[in-house]
Amino acid sequence: GAVVSQHPSWVICKSGTSVKIECRSLDFQATTMFWYRQFPKQSLMLMATSNEGSKATYEQGVEKDKFLINHASLTLSTLTVTSAHPEDSSFYICSARSNEAFFGQGTRLTVV
Amino acid sequence: RKEVEQDPGPFNVPEGATVAFNCTYSNSASQSFFWYRQDCRKEPKLLMSVYSSGNEDGRFTAQLNRASQYISLLIRDSKLSDSATYLCVVGTTRTYKYIFGTGTRLKVLA
Repeated sequence: GAVVSQHPSWVICKSGTSVKIECRSLDFQATTMFWYRQFPKQSLMLMATSNEGSKATYEQGVEKDKFLINHASLTLSTLTVTSAHPEDSSFYICSARSNEAFFGQGTRLTVV
Repeated sequence: RKEVEQDPGPFNVPEGATVAFNCTYSNSASQSFFWYRQDCRKEPKLLMSVYSSGNEDGRFTAQLNRASQYISLLIRDSKLSDSATYLCVVGTTRTYKYIFGTGTRLKVLA
């Protein structure tokens, strides 16, 4: 079946640094990918919709200058958390759809 | 009101029990409905789609009630391995976005 690969699976970084997370669709082309964030004991919250070849669409309350999304090819979307702070520590998951949604493994970001 | 609402639980049930979860959604234009399972610190995985006619997969039965805007998941003969969080997911064809419920936590006890 379709597979979405996300990398890295976990990262610890210092406050103020930037972190890039990659999301790849391995056996299908995804013109649209989705980035979610999940805080402990909370639901997955959609952050943004990544569109191949155009600007991402951000959900209300998500800072586009802080969470940079690049979708340069049909199989790769990246999310960069810029100037990360401890409150950005969360579980980030990407998703891509063919006829159903497939999720990456998730990235646990800890900002210290 | 949240777009998708679920009882967070936890539901603690003995092995072999039958357990049911409900999920309500607010957008009447919703067209896609799913149940996902999420294990602790893992990504969600599709458990089953929910069709208007209802569908069954082994011990799992999903139903959709459009008039009342809810979907349900029934698990029969619960196994220890069924312990997880079950996420109700609703989508619209127009936006291709999925909205997740907060999830219902199930713990099956030996």
